[in-house]
Amino acid sequence: QLQLQESGPGLVKPSETLSLTCSVSGGSINNYYWGWIRQPPGKGLEWIGSIYYSGTTYSNPSLKSRLTISVDTSKNEFSLKVSSVTATDTAIYYCARHLGRLSSGLDYWGQGTLVTVSS
Amino acid sequence: SYELTQPPSVSVSPGQTASITCSGDKLGDKYACWYQQKPGQSPVLLIYQNSRRPSGIPERFSGSNSGNTATLTISGTQAMDEADYYCQVWDINTYVFGTGTKVTVL
Repeated sequence: QLQLQESGPGLVKPSETLSLTCSVSGGSINNYYWGWIRQPPGKGLEWIGSIYYSGTTYSNPSLKSRLTISVDTSKNEFSLKVSSVTATDTAIYYCARHLGRLSSGLDYWGQGTLVTVSS
Repeated sequence: SYELTQPPSVSVSPGQTASITCSGDKLGDKYACWYQQKPGQSPVLLIYQNSRRPSGIPERFSGSNSGNTATLTISGTQAMDEADYYCQVWDINTYVFGTGTKVTVL
């Protein structure tokens, strides 16, 4: 059974960089697209970006200038960095696997990790 | 940017059919997906490519997509189906989620 686990600091100061890693177990990261999604407390889902195992990335235009998404196939993990964070970046951050093509949805999700932006 | 609009809430009696709509410009030309999210849990993929169900998803969940509207139908709704539901599409290299619908089973 494929499992995804997000890890990283739960508290980030304003203007600093949010960094999260998604560790994939029970399957290979190869040959799939992987995504990051966030959900502000009490609000809806927002796609952040996705990456193919080869390194090709797709990003939410509203976040693109602050985003870095990378993949490490040797460690079977992928990562997210969001720079210059503000309180509006406070959210539960999820990592997930794309079922197949990018148009086919996200079939495996991590449990999510709450990141709070506060001084 | 592309937008998907859902009704904020839908109420349904146990055993009845619930229909949740998702509206977007020429949505029928794209593949729609649907997710269920219960409080404190991660979303679960219910429908992909408009009407396909991943393994393990009950047959009472079905989807359709035509024109400007995609629809998730829950037949024989159960109390356990009370949750938030989100539609989603892939549009010009961007993932878009709908605004979400809270389904209440009365």
